[in-house]
Amino acid sequence: DIQMTQSPSTLSASVGDRVTITCRASQSISSWLAWYQQKPGKAPKLLIYKASSLESGVPSRFSGSGSGTEFALTISSLQPDDFATYYCQQYNSYSPTFGPGTKVDIK
Amino acid sequence: QVQLVESGGGLVKPGGSLRLSCVASGFTFSDYYMTWIRQAPGRGLEWVSYISGSGDTIHYADSVKGRFSISRDNAQNSLHLQMNSPRAEDTAVYYCARVVAAVAGFYDYWGQGSLVTVSS
Repeated sequence: DIQMTQSPSTLSASVGDRVTITCRASQSISSWLAWYQQKPGKAPKLLIYKASSLESGVPSRFSGSGSGTEFALTISSLQPDDFATYYCQQYNSYSPTFGPGTKVDIK
Repeated sequence: QVQLVESGGGLVKPGGSLRLSCVASGFTFSDYYMTWIRQAPGRGLEWVSYISGSGDTIHYADSVKGRFSISRDNAQNSLHLQMNSPRAEDTAVYYCARVVAAVAGFYDYWGQGSLVTVSS
C-alpha cells in the first residue's frame, strides 16, 4: 500500500494567517491526490482533487499544489470557519489511503 | 440534491454480525462507484471497501478482507456493508461516500456516518 504522511500534525494559527500543510506519498502518485476538511462530529468535506483542482463551492482561499510524492494545501488567509482537521488522500492505487491528518487550531 | 443516509449501526458483540445500509438520492446511483470509509474514535480516516456501479468490481482493505462484504441494490439505490466476525478494532463511525473518477477515486459526497461499537 502507498503510505501517506502529513506535516505538521498540529498547526496553531491566527485569523488572517497564510497556512500551508504538506502531504508526502511513499511512491509517486502523479496528481491523484485529494484534500478534505473535517470538523468534529461531521463527515469530511472535499476541498481539492487531482492535486490542484478546486471543488465547486469551495472558497478560493484554498489551493493545492504538487505532483509525484510531495503536495501542499495552502489557505491564503485563514478564516474562523477554517479551524478543522485536514486530510490528504491518494487514489493512484486500487487501495486508496489517507494521511494521518493535520489539525489547525486557534493560536 | 445528492443525499446519502446511513443506517444499521449499533452495538455488536465480537464474532457477531451487523449490516450497514446507505440509501442514496439525487443522482443516478448505478452510474457511480460507491465506497465505505471508517473512522475509529479520535483517529483518522481508513478506506474499507468500494464497489463499481454494476457491482462487478469490488475491493477490500486487507484489515476487513474475508470478514466484511460490500453489495449494492441499484433498484433500491442502496449500498450495504455486511460485517461478519467483527473485532474490537472495527469500532468506528462508518461513512458511505460517492466515488468520483474511475476505480479508487476521490469522494465528493458523504453520508452523516453510522457508529458501530464492537464490545461484549
